Amino acid sequence: EPEVTQTPSHQVTQMGQEVILRCVPISNHLYFYWYRQILGQKVEFLVSFYNNEISEKSEIFDDQFSVERPDGSNFTLKIRSTKLEDSAMYFCASSALVKVSDQPQHFGDGTRLSIL
Amino acid sequence: GNSVTQMEGPVTLSEEAFLTINCTYTATGYPSLFWYVQYPGEGLQLLLKATKADDKGSNKGFEATYRKETTSFHLEKGSVQVSDSAVYFCALSDTGGYQKVTFGIGTKLQVIP
Repeated sequence: EPEVTQTPSHQVTQMGQEVILRCVPISNHLYFYWYRQILGQKVEFLVSFYNNEISEKSEIFDDQFSVERPDGSNFTLKIRSTKLEDSAMYFCASSALVKVSDQPQHFGDGTRLSIL
Repeated sequence: GNSVTQMEGPVTLSEEAFLTINCTYTATGYPSLFWYVQYPGEGLQLLLKATKADDKGSNKGFEATYRKETTSFHLEKGSVQVSDSAVYFCALSDTGGYQKVTFGIGTKLQVIP
């Protein structure tokens, strides 16, 4: 079964540095998402992306965050200047159709981001 | 806004015991409801879903029924196995627009032999 792949599985970065998290969605999917889960807290929506633009973003997704689909396969999340509170597990997801009820989102295994 | 409330756990059961994980939700409109499971070291996997009132989602012996009158979507399994040990997330999504998924806190289930 096709799956969403994320790299790296664990990223350790100094505070203030830029970090790029990478995701390869399922090949025929058109809608892409990032979520994050701070340790012990809920999985939270960050952003959705379709047709090379952001569809929706949460209040967490401020100017320090950006997303990009640089080629036909990768979907990246960039944090420009990392803060300690950015330490979390970041999940990428993709779906074929906009109606989640018809085609649920498929999630990757996540990237654990640790900010020192 | 949308929200999901579920029991925090951890829940510890003996093998073959009956499992219930409670989940209630608050949503505008008529959401779709999901249970996701996260096995140790893995990502989030869709376990089951229901898209309208009284629908019953089922998979791998797990069931949950969409109860609109009580805004609930409780997860049940008649006889748990050690391999069911995981974290279970109740979630919902609106049916219009670009649907972000709203998750509950997750309930850790540990099944002991």
